[in-house]
Amino acid sequence: IQLTQSPSFLSASVGDRVTITCRASQDISSYSAWYQQKPGTAPKLLIYTASALQTGVPSRFRGSGSGTEFTLTISSLQPEDFATYYCQQLDSYPRTFGQGTKVELK
Amino acid sequence: QEQLQESGPGLVKPSETLSLTCAVYGGSINSFYWNWIRQSPGKGLEWIGFVHHSGSTNYNPSLESRVTMSIDKSKNQFSLRLNSVTAADTAVYFCARQPLTYYDVDGYPVRYGFDIWGQGIAVTVSS
Repeated sequence: IQLTQSPSFLSASVGDRVTITCRASQDISSYSAWYQQKPGTAPKLLIYTASALQTGVPSRFRGSGSGTEFTLTISSLQPEDFATYYCQQLDSYPRTFGQGTKVELK
Repeated sequence: QEQLQESGPGLVKPSETLSLTCAVYGGSINSFYWNWIRQSPGKGLEWIGFVHHSGSTNYNPSLESRVTMSIDKSKNQFSLRLNSVTAADTAVYFCARQPLTYYDVDGYPVRYGFDIWGQGIAVTVSS
């Protein structure tokens, strides 16, 4: 299953509302996850099963969608949120990831 | 707080075997899927496969002919072997945990993502 994220790059300011989209090449029900990765570190799980917030993740992160289209929204971008974000499908094997969306400071 | 830590050589010669171990600290290796993921320089994430606490495995078809994963419950660790490596296998290798699927109050299956990751180990394939 191929995952396509858009946009690949995003310039934003602190306080902005940011939306990243992930499209799957086939129906994956609600079995998606989102990760945040900062340079030199491992990815961090933010959202699983499309909309469930991982323990300890701030509530400004919200996941939604089902089927083939999923969205990660950051309601008010904070300085620590500048990073690369990846979606992942958990519906079938092999597990696959999107190509990433880099969120940069405008 | 459970932690994972990868270990192994940082340099492997072409055609040889890459061997990595992931130690699980502060928790049990039982009742989880244990995954390996890699990230080539400047590239995205590629899932290599998992080993279940029972010893069953599932590998990415793109690597399946060269991959072996195993688990050692007595040492609370699991391992990855990738043979016949080439420069294309140069990457940062991560181990990660995935909890098993559970069913919510409505009977809906909830699948976790990879909730705990090691810090990653950089492996270069070069002579």
